[in-house]
Amino acid sequence: QSVLTQPPSVSAAPGQKVTISCSGSSSNIGNNYVSWYQQLPGTAPKLLIYENNKRPSGIPDRFSGSKSGTSATLGITGLQTGDEADYYCGTWDSSLSVWVFGGGTKLTVL
Amino acid sequence: EVQLVESGGGLVQPGRSLRLSCAGSGFTFDDYAMHWVRQAPGKGLEWVSGVNWNSARIGYADSVKGRFTISRDNAKNSLYLQMNSLRAEDTALYYCVKHKGTYYDSSGSCFDYWGQGTLVTVSS
Repeated sequence: QSVLTQPPSVSAAPGQKVTISCSGSSSNIGNNYVSWYQQLPGTAPKLLIYENNKRPSGIPDRFSGSKSGTSATLGITGLQTGDEADYYCGTWDSSLSVWVFGGGTKLTVL
Repeated sequence: EVQLVESGGGLVQPGRSLRLSCAGSGFTFDDYAMHWVRQAPGKGLEWVSGVNWNSARIGYADSVKGRFTISRDNAKNSLYLQMNSLRAEDTALYYCVKHKGTYYDSSGSCFDYWGQGTLVTVSS
């Protein structure tokens, strides 16, 4: 059971938009920055979004992040088949004093 | 280009020990905190341990506390994970991960570079 809750799967057609939610509590998302990671099949995770809504260099602006209260959201527009991957949210938990991740969301581009 | 290369994984019997290593390059190793994150087969990500740039502060997940020890040698640009009393549930791909900041428990930071991982299988 993950500390952060994500939907197990989402799907949308190419060119469409999808959002992935990440729900936590005041000890993690509510008071700390959220980051998002993309894991393409058979590869290591890659940083997509940090500090809730910032993109590292090289990440296209089709990817966006937001946070409100104890929840965060990853948005992906203009979906491509190459976006099919597992997506994880992560943050520091101030009460547990550990880094925590969501269980991951598998994105299918139909 | 930042590179993190893990080694030391393999098949080990329950109760035995294993030491993982990670060689970092392409960045100033002693400017950043470092972590180990693992992923059991078909499962999600689990943070294992983190260490500050100067080893002054270290943290562990409850699941490994007392059994695993993280360490670093800045002179060798290397990160280590000594794993003792291994259990079947420790079977996973272990990633060496660079922190974006100096302190592993900085809530304003994140994991910005990941190695390809080294597989640890605990089985009799």
